[in-house]
Amino acid sequence: EAGVVQSPRYKIIEKKQPVAFWCNPISGHNTLYWYLQNLGQGPELLIRYENEEAVDDSQLPKDRFSAERLKGVDSTLKIQPAELGDSAVYLCASSPSRVREQYFGPGTRLTVT
Amino acid sequence: GQQLNQSPQSMFIQEGEDVSMNCTSSSIFNTWLWYKQDPGEGPVLLIALYKAGELTSNGRLTAQFGITRKDSFLNISASIPSDVGIYFCAGPYNNNDMRFGAGTRLTVKP
Repeated sequence: EAGVVQSPRYKIIEKKQPVAFWCNPISGHNTLYWYLQNLGQGPELLIRYENEEAVDDSQLPKDRFSAERLKGVDSTLKIQPAELGDSAVYLCASSPSRVREQYFGPGTRLTVT
Repeated sequence: GQQLNQSPQSMFIQEGEDVSMNCTSSSIFNTWLWYKQDPGEGPVLLIALYKAGELTSNGRLTAQFGITRKDSFLNISASIPSDVGIYFCAGPYNNNDMRFGAGTRLTVKP
């Protein structure tokens, strides 16, 4: 069974530019998560989807971040405009249901210069 | 707010030694998850615990769900060089979304 797929793996952009990340969860997993991971820290939740509905986006900086999960499968996370402090690894995870085990993708390492 | 404390922050051990790390929460959890993360990769699930007192093994790894439901332990027996990485515990905040500890960085010297 294929795992969580993310692309791109790496992205380097200049500040104030937009950037988008894509995630394809494990087939059949209704719950999808986007996490932010800074160096030396554990993942921090940005947003959680139950099917196509965003049910917890309290940690998502809505002035510049947006996310969508059309048709309840793939998801994209967008930053516009990017700031220097957005440099981090963005992880996508999926789960058969919330508070059950989550499976992570390899992440997208974003560098904002 | 929710506190999830993981210790130790880092460990340097000799190959063949056993390792023990733990995670404590300021509130009761009904799930504990343990992950390992290699450089440049996402966290990989090692063990999931769903019941207080539960003891679960995965090869040389053993994890326990503490009786108080506020802590969990991960043990690695007979460590090998490929055990190197960062180990994270995670548990549900308010029975909802997972919160992760800051990780234990393990170095194994051959």
